[in-house]
Amino acid sequence: GEDVEQSLFLSVREGDSSVINCTYTDSSSTYLYWYKQEPGAGLQLLTYIFSNMDMKQDQRLTVLLNKKDKHLSLRIADTQTGDSAIYFCAEDSGGYQKVTFGTGTKLQVIP
Amino acid sequence: ETGVTQSPTHLIKTRGQQVTLRCSSQSGHNTVSWYQQALGQGPQFIFQYYREEENGRGNFPPRFSGLQFPNYSSELNVNALELDDSALYLCASSLGRGFDTEAFFGQGTRLTVV
Repeated sequence: GEDVEQSLFLSVREGDSSVINCTYTDSSSTYLYWYKQEPGAGLQLLTYIFSNMDMKQDQRLTVLLNKKDKHLSLRIADTQTGDSAIYFCAEDSGGYQKVTFGTGTKLQVIP
Repeated sequence: ETGVTQSPTHLIKTRGQQVTLRCSSQSGHNTVSWYQQALGQGPQFIFQYYREEENGRGNFPPRFSGLQFPNYSSELNVNALELDDSALYLCASSLGRGFDTEAFFGQGTRLTVV
C-alpha cells in the first residue's frame, strides 16, 4: 500500500540550512512533491521532482531523490523565520491526480 | 491568493446531519480534487472531478459525494455526519489531470461535528 513517512518536528536557527526527510513506499510514483502549509492557510506547492531525476534546485530549495531507497529530501538554504510552517511531502498514486501526503514536518526557525 | 475560494470557512454540525461544502475553482481550471485533513495529519484524497465527472476516488464511504458544475465550481456533500468527520476540508483546482499540472489549494473549510 501507499505510505509516506516524515519526521514530525525540526528546529533550526535562522541562517542555517534545514533538511526535511521523507520516505515513501509506492515505487510506481512518477512525481514527488513538497508542499508548505502555514497556519490558517491552504497548501502551497513549493516544488516537485520527476522520478527519473535525482536532484532539482530552485533558488534556496534543493530536492534530492534516492529512488532505490525511496527517500526524498528538501533542503532549504539560509532558512528564514518566514520559512516556519508545516512541510508535506507527497507522491502521485494511480492513474489520476490522486496525491498521497505524508503526515508533515513542522519546521521551527529560531531567530 | 490562489484564486480558489471555499465556503464556508468554518462550520459546526451535529452528528447525523448532512453538510455541503463549496469550492470555486481558479478561472479556467477544469479539474477539482477534494481532501480531508484531520488535525495533525496530512491531507487524504477524497475524490477528483474532471469536466463534471468523477475521475477517481480515495478510501472514503459513499456518504461522501460530490458534484462539479458546468462552470467547474464544485460541492462536497457528506451525509450522516460522524464525529470523526471533523477536519479541515481542502479543495484544489488545476487545469487538467496531469501529475505535472500544479494544483492550487483553497484555504479550506473547518468542519466540527459535535
